[in-house]
Amino acid sequence: DTAVSQTPKYLVTQMGNDKSIKCEQNLGHDTMYWYKQDSKKFLKIMFSYNNKELIINETVPNRFSPKSPDKAHLNLHINSLELGDSAVYFCASSQGPGLYTFGSGTRLTVV
Amino acid sequence: AQSVSQHNHHVILSEAASLELGCNYSYGGTVNLFWYVQYPGQHLQLLLKYFSGDPLVKGIKGFEAEFIKSKFSFNLRKPSVQWSDTAEYFCAVKDTDKLIFGTGTRLQVFP
Repeated sequence: DTAVSQTPKYLVTQMGNDKSIKCEQNLGHDTMYWYKQDSKKFLKIMFSYNNKELIINETVPNRFSPKSPDKAHLNLHINSLELGDSAVYFCASSQGPGLYTFGSGTRLTVV
Repeated sequence: AQSVSQHNHHVILSEAASLELGCNYSYGGTVNLFWYVQYPGQHLQLLLKYFSGDPLVKGIKGFEAEFIKSKFSFNLRKPSVQWSDTAEYFCAVKDTDKLIFGTGTRLQVFP
């Protein structure tokens, strides 16, 4: 059983499109995160939810909107995709401070 | 806010060589420190963590790290690397509700 699963694994889309990435965890963790990893491997937090409530919203364009229908799911919707949005997006869940379980990532390529 | 610096961007070693990767965090007080590893094409995994107590912490796969408060450092070490240690290594510090990652160090180990 995959602990944190993300879909899709790869996503290639044109500029201006709207796309979603889904994340599900079966670990029973209360907190989930979205991180963006750029081409230089730098990881930056985007959002965090605790039990369906938004607790962290870093400086992210409002084209990015997270949605957490329940504490096991945290989806990321991106409107009007831009070239600079190309990156690997990682979902993670946490059992305690800093103890993250990461998903396998979604490689988004905007052309 | 906390920040993390990893000064070694790319390290190349032969098998059996010793490894030390540098990590410095920005300010003191109580800190929770972590090393995560990302093998090629995979998600991040926790290598080891420091919360309190013995400043020398041991992790998986023979890795260890030493917390030196006076130097704001948490360097990662391994006495003898293997080809399978080829990966990206990220130091991280907990900052309120999230992890702040360093820019990563790419380790290449040649047989």
